[in-house]
Amino acid sequence: DTAVSQTPKYLVTQMGNDKSIKCEQNLGHDTMYWYKQDSKKFLKIMFSYNNKELIINETVPNRFSPKSPDKAHLNLHINSLELGDSAVYFCASSQPSGSSGANVLTFGAGSRLTVL
Amino acid sequence: GQQVMQIPQYQHVQEGEDFTTYCNSSTTLSNIQWYKQRPGGHPVFLIQLVKSGEVKKQKRLTFQFGEAKKNSSLHITATQTTDVGTYFCAGGSGGYQKVTFGTGTKLQVIP
Repeated sequence: DTAVSQTPKYLVTQMGNDKSIKCEQNLGHDTMYWYKQDSKKFLKIMFSYNNKELIINETVPNRFSPKSPDKAHLNLHINSLELGDSAVYFCASSQPSGSSGANVLTFGAGSRLTVL
Repeated sequence: GQQVMQIPQYQHVQEGEDFTTYCNSSTTLSNIQWYKQRPGGHPVFLIQLVKSGEVKKQKRLTFQFGEAKKNSSLHITATQTTDVGTYFCAGGSGGYQKVTFGTGTKLQVIP
């Protein structure tokens, strides 16, 4: 069983289209994230949800809208796709551990988005 | 905002040589984590350090957290081709423990 699964794995689309990426985790974690990894391999956090509540919203264009129907799912919808949106989008989940409250992330396999 | 930088950005080593990557945060961290991403793969958690000055070992890998909790290092002894990948440090801070990833160090091991 895949702990964090994302669909689709690959997505090729035209500029201006709208697309969605779905993520599901079966780890029972309370927190889920979307990270964007660009061509230089930088990993940047976009959003984080804790038990369906948005807790982190980085400086991301409002064309990106996350939705968490329940704590096991976090979807990402992107409107009016632009060339610069091409990247690998990783979903992750975590559960705080110990007194430090440190969140160890479990990542999905990634969704490679190519905008033409 | 918080920035986490890693050096070097790239490192090519001959198999059997040692390798070290350094991680520096602009702010004090609650904890530091290290992840490895194989080519074409996703980041996989390696280890977490919480205490100031903490040192942990995993076989040939040695991880260190600085006394001021603003820097960390990962040292690999006698690299193998299976060590190839990008190593990321990630600092946790803030009320919801936002995890900010470093810029990564890509390791290439030449057989």
